[in-house]
Amino acid sequence: DVKVTQSSRYLVKRTGEKVFLECVQDMDHENMFWYRQDPGLGLRLIYFSYDVKMKEKGDIPEGYSVSREKKERFSLILESASTNQTSMYLCASSPGGAGMGGANVLTFGAGSRLTVL
Amino acid sequence: QKEVEQNSGPLSVPEGAIASLNCTYSDRVSQSFFWYRQYSGKSPELIMSIYSNGDKEDGRFTAQLNKASQYVSLLIRDSQPSDSATYLCAVRGSGNQFYFGTGTSLTVIP
Repeated sequence: DVKVTQSSRYLVKRTGEKVFLECVQDMDHENMFWYRQDPGLGLRLIYFSYDVKMKEKGDIPEGYSVSREKKERFSLILESASTNQTSMYLCASSPGGAGMGGANVLTFGAGSRLTVL
Repeated sequence: QKEVEQNSGPLSVPEGAIASLNCTYSDRVSQSFFWYRQYSGKSPELIMSIYSNGDKEDGRFTAQLNKASQYVSLLIRDSQPSDSATYLCAVRGSGNQFYFGTGTSLTVIP
């Protein structure tokens, strides 16, 4: 089974701090994603990556950056945390390729619940 | 932005009944469709995927896809209290992005 591991389940940070959320997948997936999930708003895509050192903005990239130096690792960075970034952050990966197929599904990590005070 | 719409619920059904969850999507070129289940405080887990028009059955779950109507549904037969969760509809477009609905909360009453 694909395993997507997020480094921290719960974090509490102060406004203005720099925050790193780490995600590692162990199945050689091409694609990795960062979502945030808020009540009533569902899952919103922050950034995604199709390949090493490659990144694309999602729907809500403001206030975030990402890094993908190795294929298995995708990091989300909050340069200066703010209270409106308090949320559940979900990392996910998928095999990649534009075709259909049963293998091309999204697998999530356990999530990181961030509270910014 | 691609849109995926779900009835937010909450939906309550008695144990043993059929639960019906619905989803519509806006992007006509979407190719792949998924249902995820999310328990409170947990991350989403895949329960069904469907790629062709018609029905796909897996145990107590049946996914239905109608591309002409841009409609996806999930039926849960013989609903159990353990099925109580939020169900997320997801659509994969022509690229590699996945778009999610806001979820439908289901409660199965013993």
